[in-house]
Amino acid sequence: SYELTQPPSVSVSPGQTASITCSGDKLGDKYTCWYQQKPGQSPVLVIYQDTKRPSGITERFSGSNSGNTATLTISGTQAMDEADYYCQAWDSSTAVFGGGTKLTVL
Amino acid sequence: EVQLVESGGGLIQAGGSLRISCAASGFAVSSKYMSWVRQAPGKGLEWVSVIYSGGNTDYADSVKGRFTISRDNSKNTLYLQMNSLRAEDTAVYYCARDSSGYEFDYWGQGTLVTVSS
Repeated sequence: SYELTQPPSVSVSPGQTASITCSGDKLGDKYTCWYQQKPGQSPVLVIYQDTKRPSGITERFSGSNSGNTATLTISGTQAMDEADYYCQAWDSSTAVFGGGTKLTVL
Repeated sequence: EVQLVESGGGLIQAGGSLRISCAASGFAVSSKYMSWVRQAPGKGLEWVSVIYSGGNTDYADSVKGRFTISRDNSKNTLYLQMNSLRAEDTAVYYCARDSSGYEFDYWGQGTLVTVSS
């Protein structure tokens, strides 16, 4: 079965740029999206189809996808960005999620 | 405004059955792919099942043969019938709308299913 691999945790200082990676076999051939989930809340879509931002999502969030790796980049990271982030793609009629990355802003 | 509201979760013994629901508003469930996604306590997201706009369905291997996804177009509601429940099925179950076949753009608030062994 298809797998997506994310680092368990990423730390960033306020105002700096955070990058969260998601790796999978030929992931660049698939559309990848990213969700933000804060404690006790439902996931929120922050990037879809590799690079697009839904309405209402800040420009500080951006995405890329090439080769075997998709990347979520958060520029000018703020305390409010502290959350769990999940990548997701479809493979063989199955939605696959990465294991999640806890972003800490310190 | 799109809204998804899950209900029906609760405490159930292992081996038992439960049906959870997701009432949608602001769009027709029959017009979109709709999925169930679950999250075990303290764990990550796990996709469970999808029903396509045409009515076909797919399931994760972990629930195939035990869970059935369905919808009632007249009630604009999505369902997940869960049979032969196991302790490892304990999770918050979210319904999610697939906007274009690739991503989930709206999620419900989730309903907690606890399976006691």
